[in-house]
Amino acid sequence: EIVLTQSPATLSLSPGERATLSCRASQSVSDGLAWYQQKPGRVPRLLIYAVSNRATGIPARFSGSGSGTDFTLTISSLEPDDFAVYYCQQRSKWPPHFGGGTKVEIK
Amino acid sequence: QVHLVESGGAVVQPGGSLRLSCAPSGFTFSNYGIHWVRQAPGKGLEWVTFINYNGNDKYYADSVKGRFTISRDNSKSTLYLQMNSLRHEDTAMYYCAKDNSDYYIDHWGQGTLVTVSS
Repeated sequence: EIVLTQSPATLSLSPGERATLSCRASQSVSDGLAWYQQKPGRVPRLLIYAVSNRATGIPARFSGSGSGTDFTLTISSLEPDDFAVYYCQQRSKWPPHFGGGTKVEIK
Repeated sequence: QVHLVESGGAVVQPGGSLRLSCAPSGFTFSNYGIHWVRQAPGKGLEWVTFINYNGNDKYYADSVKGRFTISRDNSKSTLYLQMNSLRHEDTAMYYCAKDNSDYYIDHWGQGTLVTVSS
């Protein structure tokens, strides 16, 4: 099975700063990678699918990039609403496991 | 508007069984695959199982294989998760989640809590 490793575990930033989150796969997932956001006490929501496609209603400050085994979620300028936990997930091979998550916290 | 409503969560003893249900609305249920994803208290997301639109294809995480069974009744627009031989480590919020036809999850239910405890 494919293992996804997210780094860093915690990212401490201030509003307005740029956030760069990493997701590394143990083997190639081609372009089958998604990012989800989960705020405390809330259900996850899809941000990005197929590496770089924003889901419906997701602001343009969120962008995804990468291919093969290395992927990045970038938040160009953090808004107060963006402080949350972010998970990557691959869908190229069963089982479609999630990464362990990166918590973006206010510095 | 898409909604998925889970039910059936409870406190159950180790070794016991439980059946969760998911009632979707706002989309044509019989056209879409559905996932179950769980989240232990304070932990990350764990994918559990998937069933395709007509119930012919099912996939399970190794952690639940042989103990959990996913099924669906398209005539009743309902999804089920039968959980047997429950263990302490199965304690989690269980989310029913709609597939977007490309194996990404585009909508989530609010979850139902399963607690395995003696």
